[in-house]
Amino acid sequence: NAGVTQTPKFRVLKTGQSMTLLCAQDMNHEYMYWYRQDPGMGLRLIHYSVGEGTTAKGEVPDGYNVSRLKKQNFLLGLESAAPSQTSVYFCASSTRPSGTGELFFGEGSRLTVL
Amino acid sequence: KQEVTQIPAALSVPEGENLVLNCSFTDSAIYNLQWFRQDPGKGLTSLLLIQSSQREQTSGRLNASLDKSSGRSTLYIAASQPGDSATYLCAAANYGGSQGNLIFGKGTKLSVKP
Repeated sequence: NAGVTQTPKFRVLKTGQSMTLLCAQDMNHEYMYWYRQDPGMGLRLIHYSVGEGTTAKGEVPDGYNVSRLKKQNFLLGLESAAPSQTSVYFCASSTRPSGTGELFFGEGSRLTVL
Repeated sequence: KQEVTQIPAALSVPEGENLVLNCSFTDSAIYNLQWFRQDPGKGLTSLLLIQSSQREQTSGRLNASLDKSSGRSTLYIAASQPGDSATYLCAAANYGGSQGNLIFGKGTKLSVKP
């Protein structure tokens, strides 16, 4: 029962470096989301996808790009990492839009930007 | 803009006690209200989802209520156990957008002492 799997789980970057976080789900869900969680801020939506080949901006999209080339995968990219992007990133998926159905979360990817 | 508040930020109770976690939201035009559990270093697990037309939902020792007119939801945990120790987050889903708009509170960290 894999559910939603995020890789890597931990990463340390230097300012200006790039990286990609991978989210994979094996539940055939149409909807996928990337959130970031910061102390004292709660979860905030970065980008989301309503199906293969689609992406859309969430609440805090600046500095991030995403791609959904395959239904089961949702990639989050940082082209030029900044210390403000130090956070825990969570991927989630659902069969319905996030506000209308149950969300399934991955275990998170902890990113530190020095 | 919807704002979701959870008070207190932390709560410590002895094992066996019944307890209530509070969640308030500023915009009563919600689609549903969701409660999640987050264990340290882990992702979120969906606990209960209350549709806007419902007043409460129950799952085992958990009971969540919703009062849209007052902008409040409560999560009642009966006969608390040390295994209930976690952070509990509520999220309000508003209408609008192709994916619904889920706004999270910052959570209440619950500690149940043996």
